[in-house]
Amino acid sequence: SQQGEEDPQALSIQEGENATMNCSYKTSINNLQWYRQNSGRGLVHLILIRSNEREKHSGRLRVTLDTSKKSSSLLITASRAADTASYFCAHDTSGTYKYIFGTGTRLKVLA
Amino acid sequence: DAGITQSPRHKVTETGTPVTLRCHQTENHRYMYWYRQDPGHGLRLIHYSYGVKDTDKGEVSDGYSVSRSKTEDFLLTLESATSSQTSVYFCAIRPGQVNTEAFFGQGTRLTVV
Repeated sequence: SQQGEEDPQALSIQEGENATMNCSYKTSINNLQWYRQNSGRGLVHLILIRSNEREKHSGRLRVTLDTSKKSSSLLITASRAADTASYFCAHDTSGTYKYIFGTGTRLKVLA
Repeated sequence: DAGITQSPRHKVTETGTPVTLRCHQTENHRYMYWYRQDPGHGLRLIHYSYGVKDTDKGEVSDGYSVSRSKTEDFLLTLESATSSQTSVYFCAIRPGQVNTEAFFGQGTRLTVV
């Protein structure tokens, strides 16, 4: 399977704290993307980082990418209760049209 | 919201029966995907399409087939449903293959009894 893995599987933090989740993948990629899912609904795109980028910011989100280690991390700063959701990484696979998702991290932010 | 609709939204079916799920888009996007979501497994790719009549297998394609006879519709068929296919199924679309985001349908909850 080419499915990537994310850790931790679940994360519980207090409002105002930072949340970090990690994603590992197995193939060469063109880019890596992060998505959010609320309560079993469809996923919503958060941020894209290209394979030649090492870090990217969007609001309270910071994404890093290390292609040598085939890994990425998503940092959510100053978390809010509304950030409670599942977060998934996804990537294209070079040479195919597949679009592969990771196993996800369930984040719970306590008010 | 991206114009993507899945139908039905919920279905209960019996073991051994064929089931077809439909994904309809109004965006004219080239790439379409079917995933299943199960606890602990995230989203797993079943089949995908890169154009009309162009489809290929994903990671968990056994027991599933797909068809795409026109740009806007991507059908997923469970040829003979089994209890292990009880899951939530998501369709996704993308305008391009590289450096583009995916847009998701609302999902279909399928229960095989």
